[in-house]
Amino acid sequence: NAGVTQTPKFQVLKTGQSMTLQCAQDMNHNSMYWYRQDPGMGLRLIYYSASEGTTDKGEVPNGYNVSRLNKREFSLRLESAAPSQTSVYFCASSGQVNSPLHFGNGTRLTVT
Amino acid sequence: AQSVTQLDSQVPVFEEAPVELRCNYSSSVSVYLFWYVQYPNQGLQLLLKYLSGSTLVKGINGFEAEFNKSQTSFHLRKPSVHISDTAEYFCAALNFNKFYFGSGTKLNVKP
Repeated sequence: NAGVTQTPKFQVLKTGQSMTLQCAQDMNHNSMYWYRQDPGMGLRLIYYSASEGTTDKGEVPNGYNVSRLNKREFSLRLESAAPSQTSVYFCASSGQVNSPLHFGNGTRLTVT
Repeated sequence: AQSVTQLDSQVPVFEEAPVELRCNYSSSVSVYLFWYVQYPNQGLQLLLKYLSGSTLVKGINGFEAEFNKSQTSFHLRKPSVHISDTAEYFCAALNFNKFYFGSGTKLNVKP
């Protein structure tokens, strides 16, 4: 059972470059989320998708875009990377209402 | 807005000692509460959850938490910790389909 799969695991970008973080889940979950984790700040919600075809902003959406490609996949795009976007990014999914999040193993992104 | 506060950023404890990790939440509506554990270089794993019912919730690895509505707290406890419990622990609240996380508590179990 793969659960939530994120690619890539590591990435180094230069300021101004763009990239897309990929996320896929095989649990038939409706909701999917993107978080960033920074030391001492816990996890902050970037964007989420309550169901296929819908996306909404979280706490820190600036500088990011998302696409809910289908029920399984939810991608996060950085159009013009900045050093402030250096972080560990986690994708998560959730099934029924009020059920817990299932997390991927994260993508460690460094922007120089 | 919903917020979750973890009062201790680091908790050192000796092996086989009891531990309590504190979590407070703010909300004027019903919330659902969770504790997650993160081992180094891994994603978060669910320890336990409170949705409704009994205020004492038991989770995996011998952890338990008590929901206290009057104090808006959801503290995590374990009567006897092991070296393998060394990890970072996150408290989270779910409100209207959004999960809000605390800043985390690093539990360091010493031999």
